[in-house]
Amino acid sequence: QQQVKQSPQSLIVQKGGISIINCAYENTAFDYFPWYQQFPGKGPALLIAIRPDVSEKKEGRFTISFNKSAKQFSLHIMDSQPGDSATYFCAARRSGNQFYFGTGTSLTVIP
Amino acid sequence: DVKVTQSSRYLVKRTGEKVFLECVQDMDHENMFWYRQDPGLGLRLIYFSYDVKMKEKGDIPEGYSVSREKKERFSLILESASTNQTSMYLCASSLRTSTDTQYFGPGTRLTVL
Repeated sequence: QQQVKQSPQSLIVQKGGISIINCAYENTAFDYFPWYQQFPGKGPALLIAIRPDVSEKKEGRFTISFNKSAKQFSLHIMDSQPGDSATYFCAARRSGNQFYFGTGTSLTVIP
Repeated sequence: DVKVTQSSRYLVKRTGEKVFLECVQDMDHENMFWYRQDPGLGLRLIYFSYDVKMKEKGDIPEGYSVSREKKERFSLILESASTNQTSMYLCASSLRTSTDTQYFGPGTRLTVL
């Protein structure tokens, strides 16, 4: 079964708006939560990551919010731009190198 | 810049063929990974390697094997390709620890007829 549940499957946002993608997990052994961005024809690239000992991490227009008690985390893209149009994956790490990925969100930012 | 290259962007094979997918990284990374990416399923880990000749099974190793004879090269082998192995295959590498950034290659789109 899917270890990390991601929603929505697709998202359309107006330029300048806020894009929000949500992920949820059940396994409390997960201890590291990265987000990846993938453009067509390319492999995913790390965007931002968080550990569960903090509730928020911000890098430029990208923010991860983390709710440990609810076992949920989300990516917020402020002032969304057409260049942000891509597929976004959340992921969670168990011990070692075992990463579990969400199913992906296709984001389209319209001018 | 870290570069992860995969031998083919597109590959078409027939059922029962033995298939080799090659991945090379140029940054002396210790960890290398093979994932498959399918619509609606995201990325799923097939195998990873944390050192030469060392390998660990991921979530979906059935039907696959791997080889890492040199640090920079990690091969995925489909012993007898089947149609349900039609997918996008992504290779990745990371420096040492599991929180080091994983760098992905561009992927190989494999079609098994």
